[in-house]
Amino acid sequence: GNSVTQMEGPVTLSEEAFLTINCTYTATGYPSLFWYVQYPGEGLQLLLKATKADDKGSNKGFEATYRKETTSFHLEKGSVQVSDSAVYFCALYNFNKFYFGSGTKLNVKP
Amino acid sequence: NAGVTQTPKFQVLKTGQSMTLQCAQDMNHEYMSWYRQDPGMGLRLIHYSVGAGITDQGEVPNGYNVSRSTTEDFPLRLLSAAPSQTSVYFCASSYSHGPHYTFGSGTRLTVV
Repeated sequence: GNSVTQMEGPVTLSEEAFLTINCTYTATGYPSLFWYVQYPGEGLQLLLKATKADDKGSNKGFEATYRKETTSFHLEKGSVQVSDSAVYFCALYNFNKFYFGSGTKLNVKP
Repeated sequence: NAGVTQTPKFQVLKTGQSMTLQCAQDMNHEYMSWYRQDPGMGLRLIHYSVGAGITDQGEVPNGYNVSRSTTEDFPLRLLSAAPSQTSVYFCASSYSHGPHYTFGSGTRLTVV
């Protein structure tokens, strides 16, 4: 079957710290992988995506690489800001359906 | 503004009441879906549609009905609300040829 596992939060970092949020998946076939971000009181926004193995998605300083050999799509950012505080969802898209992880809350302190 | 519009934003229902959550998109997307978001469980697919007149069940369809009479609208109906349906509901749409989902801002539903 298809599923996504994310590291549990919350993750608390100081401003300018390095961020990693782990995401692993199981899937049949060739899924696309996504990271979505949800700011307080808002809906989900697409942060980045990768559609095939070894692709790197990037946006707003965030990066994630589609690793088929380790079935992973870890989210990274070199220097987080207070404005990055949000809930981050890893997601897999396969056969016309999305499968979401449980979300990881990130708190960035000044 | 183009996008996915959900109404209402907030709703409180009594157990046993019925209601319809509205979802509309103006991007001519073929694919539309309803998700519910519960703490620690991510988003779970309730129902989805690949085009007008076509709907199918997702992961957690029980207690919900949908219809897709037009490309633009995809309402979600709760027939007899239960406290277990307390959740945040998101509607999403996409082009038929790719998973470029656009999400609405959500409806927070409380069933007492």
